[in-house]
Amino acid sequence: GESVGLHLPTLSVQEGDNSIINCAYSNSASDYFIWYKQESGKGPQFIIDIRSNMDKRQGQRVTVLLNKTVKHLSLQIAATQPGDSAVYFCAENIENAGNMLTFGGGTRLMVKP
Amino acid sequence: GAVVSQHPSWVICKSGTSVKIECRSLDFQATTMFWYRQFPKQSLMLMATSNEGSKATYEQGVEKDKFLINHASLTLSTLTVTSAHPEDSSFYICSARGPVRETQYFGPGTRLLVL
Repeated sequence: GESVGLHLPTLSVQEGDNSIINCAYSNSASDYFIWYKQESGKGPQFIIDIRSNMDKRQGQRVTVLLNKTVKHLSLQIAATQPGDSAVYFCAENIENAGNMLTFGGGTRLMVKP
Repeated sequence: GAVVSQHPSWVICKSGTSVKIECRSLDFQATTMFWYRQFPKQSLMLMATSNEGSKATYEQGVEKDKFLINHASLTLSTLTVTSAHPEDSSFYICSARGPVRETQYFGPGTRLLVL
């Protein structure tokens, strides 16, 4: 079946550098995307979302880019900090599928001091 | 806003006992809540969708008699793991659909260990 997947399972970056986490999706009917951050032993935390009628959205230190042509989603974290170390999940929502979320496999971000 | 709580956060029980986990939306009303299960180093697996006042919808492969879900109010859903066995040990996470209809806000999770 169609699913959301991630290119890299682990990303290691130096503190202060920018991080880019990628996600590929295959369902062209997906209309809404969310990035979640999950720290060890905790539930996922909402970071940022984007609708399919947009290609970029910025938050505080985070930017989500959506390329519908190649069905690709990315999360950019500026000036990565040790507190950003976590597993990041992308999730896609399909309105005509009951607004269910489908999660990718997750990418672990490790920030080196 | 959009805070979801879970209780308990951590439970250890003997095989054969039942465990109830509560999920509450603290500052918003959630007509729909979701229950997920997560194994170490894996993504979230949706178990069931819970709608207030109606029966839960279970994902394929999830035993409804094993995992009882009740969504009695707009702010509370419960998951009861009946006759728990060691293979039920896992991290259980609930989420609630918040003010933005597509966005799910997650609880902190409940770690269940069945001995």
